[in-house]
Amino acid sequence: ETGVTQSPTHLIKTRGQQVTLRCSSQSGHNTVSWYQQALGQGPQFIFQYYREEENGRGNFPPRFSGLQFPNYSSELNVNALELDDSALYLCASSLGQGATSGELFFGEGSRLTVL
Amino acid sequence: SQQGEEDPQALSIQEGENATMNCSYKTSINNLQWYRQNSGRGLVHLILIRSNEREKHSGRLRVTLDTSKKSSSLLITASRAADTASYFCATDAGGSRLTFGEGTQLTVNP
Repeated sequence: ETGVTQSPTHLIKTRGQQVTLRCSSQSGHNTVSWYQQALGQGPQFIFQYYREEENGRGNFPPRFSGLQFPNYSSELNVNALELDDSALYLCASSLGQGATSGELFFGEGSRLTVL
Repeated sequence: SQQGEEDPQALSIQEGENATMNCSYKTSINNLQWYRQNSGRGLVHLILIRSNEREKHSGRLRVTLDTSKKSSSLLITASRAADTASYFCATDAGGSRLTFGEGTQLTVNP
């Protein structure tokens, strides 16, 4: 186990609704990254937070937003849900910030289904 | 967009055989990492190889990196049924993100 916990593990929403996913990072890690993984594909980078500030963003629209709290836990919020948002959302924690990424420690993911 | 492309997409072998998976990428990188994922669960880091390294070993894993060809390979020796999983390469090209490939689904038959 990595020590990264995500909640909820599964959830079902309808189009247009909003969702909040939560992540507790591994003890001592100050950086959290979020990835979206559609079925049968590799994870796609959504964004990263370092010391409560966004530190890089992938090709996702503004309705994907996030927060990092002083204890380094994090939330991913998605507004106006679309069918294509159905995916496994993965949170990963790591230590430090810099030009080079080290090992990421992933949680088990939150499986979102949008109907 | 995916930077890495794994090859093959799927691989089925018998226990005890070796499994080789390949990854190609497009841009210059700082490092390349391999991750494993069991059936829709979280990813587990296996090994990281830096751009100035050519080969790295960890237990039954051997990773090679050829930056001139922009390619890497992951070799799992003496495979076990428990090695059945999806394997992803991920490249660090600077900044905050890792860029993952589409993955290779490995099935090891008992």
